[in-house]
Amino acid sequence: AQSVTQLDSQVPVFEEAPVELRCNYSSSVSVYLFWYVQYPNQGLQLLLKYLSGSTLVKGINGFEAEFNKSQTSFHLRKPSVHISDTAEYFCAVSGRNDYKLSFGAGTTVTVRA
Amino acid sequence: GAVVSQHPSRVICKSGTSVKIECRSLDFQATTMFWYRQFPKKSLMLMATSNEGSKATYEQGVEKDKFLINHASLTLSTLTVTSAHPEDSSFYICSSRGGLQETQYFGPGTRLLVL
Repeated sequence: AQSVTQLDSQVPVFEEAPVELRCNYSSSVSVYLFWYVQYPNQGLQLLLKYLSGSTLVKGINGFEAEFNKSQTSFHLRKPSVHISDTAEYFCAVSGRNDYKLSFGAGTTVTVRA
Repeated sequence: GAVVSQHPSRVICKSGTSVKIECRSLDFQATTMFWYRQFPKKSLMLMATSNEGSKATYEQGVEKDKFLINHASLTLSTLTVTSAHPEDSSFYICSSRGGLQETQYFGPGTRLLVL
């Protein structure tokens, strides 16, 4: 089984400032890693994913994440945020064989002007 | 990304009635669909996994007779909340994955309010 810990429940940030959302996972098997974003009263939209290969993954809307196997982390970053980035962000992990996702508790990002 | 739809987007029903939620994969064949429940300001809780043409696999603590799942085709799965009660009020989200895809694509969710 896998588990995910998102270390920050709320992250307030000013517009055009950088943001980093932290995610650590635990698993006894090799995993796939994902970041999803959820806007109010909507489903989840895939931001990016790590399957294999390069540990630096680029996603939509200027987000990127780095897989660090030794630290079992998959932190999400954006160099300059916009008001429209205000949302809930979920880190998720799945085993490579069962595809069942385990989600972190989520991080609420609030971007202020 | 792939498109997954859910219907209805929101539903209000009386206690004791049953409610059916549809999840459709619009542009790919979904061999596996997942149903999640999300409480306010909380993460997603996996309820069940359904594979086309076979019985759903429920997570521990989820009542299979309460939450009936049918995955009759490669593009449609339904979740029926039977004899709904106020504690069943929640945001229900489905996701789909197809074939060798590693990624789940999520529907927009259905907000259920049981009065």
